[in-house]
Amino acid sequence: NAGVTQTPKFQVLKTGQSMTLQCAQDMNHEYMSWYRQDPGMGLRLIHYSVGAGITDQGEVPNGYNVSRSTTEDFPLRLLSAAPSQTSVYFCASSYGGLGAETQYFGPGTRLLVL
Amino acid sequence: TQLLEQSPQFLSIQEGENLTVYCNSSSVFSSLQWYRQEPGEGPVLLVTVVTGGEVKKLKRLTFQFGDARKDSSLHITAAQPGDTGLYLCAGTYNNNDMRFGAGTRLTVKP
Repeated sequence: NAGVTQTPKFQVLKTGQSMTLQCAQDMNHEYMSWYRQDPGMGLRLIHYSVGAGITDQGEVPNGYNVSRSTTEDFPLRLLSAAPSQTSVYFCASSYGGLGAETQYFGPGTRLLVL
Repeated sequence: TQLLEQSPQFLSIQEGENLTVYCNSSSVFSSLQWYRQEPGEGPVLLVTVVTGGEVKKLKRLTFQFGDARKDSSLHITAAQPGDTGLYLCAGTYNNNDMRFGAGTRLTVKP
């Protein structure tokens, strides 16, 4: 199993550009989520999904869109990037709810918005 | 607002020393998890605690969940350089909302 994979590993954007961060898992997990990690802030939940076709907002959803058309994939879209979105983004998946099960994290995507 | 406060923020010790890091919250959590993260990688789960007063051991690591389920501690005995990393606590106060602390960055010098 590859586990949780994320692409790209690094990305530089200009303010106003759009992009999609890809996330895929091969463990047949129902739960998937996106976090951002900033210095001194820990990880903050952006969006999560409890299964294909179902998504919901986390703590910091503004500026980000998600969709879940398959169990395996959970892309994160930035429609108009802003410097405040410079961060490291992690995707995670688990069998059950976020606090009850082991979350498996991807290696992260480092995003710089100029 | 940071719901989980971790302390200390940074900790540098010599190999063989013992240490304790703390995770405190003003909210009651249904469960609390500890993760370890190495540079350039995602966090890796160490333990989940769900019952107030619960103590779990993982080799040289001892985890405790407070009786009121608002605080937790991680104690490492005889630290080794391989223990170096960022230790994160994460509390869940409903099944689909998890909040992370800012982390304790541990350095163990040989």
